Amino acid sequence: GEDVEQSLFLSVREGDSSVINCTYTDSSSTYLYWYKQEPGAGLQLLTYIFSNMDMKQDQRLTVLLNKKDKHLSLRIADTQTGDSAIYFCAENSGYSTLTFGKGTMLLVSP
Amino acid sequence: EPEVTQTPSHQVTQMGQEVILRCVPISNHLYFYWYRQILGQKVEFLVSFYNNEISEKSEIFDDQFSVERPDGSNFTLKIRSTKLEDSAMYFCASIVLAGIETQYFGPGTRLLVL
Repeated sequence: GEDVEQSLFLSVREGDSSVINCTYTDSSSTYLYWYKQEPGAGLQLLTYIFSNMDMKQDQRLTVLLNKKDKHLSLRIADTQTGDSAIYFCAENSGYSTLTFGKGTMLLVSP
Repeated sequence: EPEVTQTPSHQVTQMGQEVILRCVPISNHLYFYWYRQILGQKVEFLVSFYNNEISEKSEIFDDQFSVERPDGSNFTLKIRSTKLEDSAMYFCASIVLAGIETQYFGPGTRLLVL
């Protein structure tokens, strides 16, 4: 079945760039997503990319997609302490059912 | 900006009791979903719902679970006889059919089964 893998933890200093990586297995995925979850809160859609795109930029966020390697990354420029959260990579399948990774905890230190 | 809402935010129940989790999807959305997240684990798909019937369900969604859209706004998840392992955060999500299939999630209901 489909699977999504992410590294579990990333620590950066404020002002640095953060890069969170994700690999997926479903080659038929149409959209790939990044969600953010702050402590005790729900899932906030950050950005998404259509599978025929290589890159998408949205303010401080850059998503890179390597469809051949089934690799997705999220780059956060000028990372702030408010960016500390868990970041989930997800792909769609079935009736737009999302398959999530386990999440990457990003810790930003001052 | 329209958003998905869920009630209650927290629920504590005894094992074997029935619980109903409520969601109000975004008003023009047509597909609805329930996901759950056991503490420290990944978000898992439970069920999708369209046109008043289940479209897809996972292995987790057994006979103890049911979903309903009792009126034009609410979407509910019922667990008939809760087990300890049902303790999790339950998320409702909805999508609009036209254009980008971006799922919008509610804030979740944290269920604790004792």
